[in-house]
Amino acid sequence: DTGVSQDPRHKITKRGQNVTFRCDPISEHNRLYWYRQTLGQGPEFLTYFQNEAQLEKSRLLSDRFSAERPKGSFSTLEIQRTEQGDSAMYLCASSLPTSTETQYFGPGTRLLVL
Amino acid sequence: EDQVTQSPEALRLQEGESSSLNCSYTVSGLRGLFWYRQDPGKGPEFLFTLYSAGEEKEKERLKATLTKKESFLHITAPKPEDSATYLCAVQVSGGYNKLIFGAGTRLAVHP
Repeated sequence: DTGVSQDPRHKITKRGQNVTFRCDPISEHNRLYWYRQTLGQGPEFLTYFQNEAQLEKSRLLSDRFSAERPKGSFSTLEIQRTEQGDSAMYLCASSLPTSTETQYFGPGTRLLVL
Repeated sequence: EDQVTQSPEALRLQEGESSSLNCSYTVSGLRGLFWYRQDPGKGPEFLFTLYSAGEEKEKERLKATLTKKESFLHITAPKPEDSATYLCAVQVSGGYNKLIFGAGTRLAVHP
């Protein structure tokens, strides 16, 4: 088991461009989460999938953000018309549907919007 | 509103100098409290989960404890490789499974 993987690890884009990030969860983990982390802060929840169903979205997730998890495997997070305020580390985590519900995080994608 | 506060924001220790990090929480109902370690530029690494007041868990030089209002992460005889940001997070009963994080404590252990 190689853990949660994310791609790309770093992304530099210009304001107004669209970007897409990918997350591959630990195999057999049917729960997948996206978080955003800015410098000096803890991660903030963005959205949650159970299998292919998106069950919860944070108010932080404006209409410029969209996430998908086709077939309940990998997930993508797209940001349209990026703004400088979108610069952050985007973290993905996955878990099994057990009582312990431990979330395991990937290495993150660091986004810089110029 | 569910909230997690960690203190201190930053802590500098000499190698071998034991100390504790604090995580206080205000939640409608606690399902679980999690401790993670995060190295610069990396994702959080899971350390412990605590579920009920009085529970304790240990791993090498780290020991986590839980009361009804706060959790402590005790670091005994730390080494420079323990330098990292330590994050506390709660999972709230009755909702979905998102984690609510504190801002973290940045720990630096000097030889």
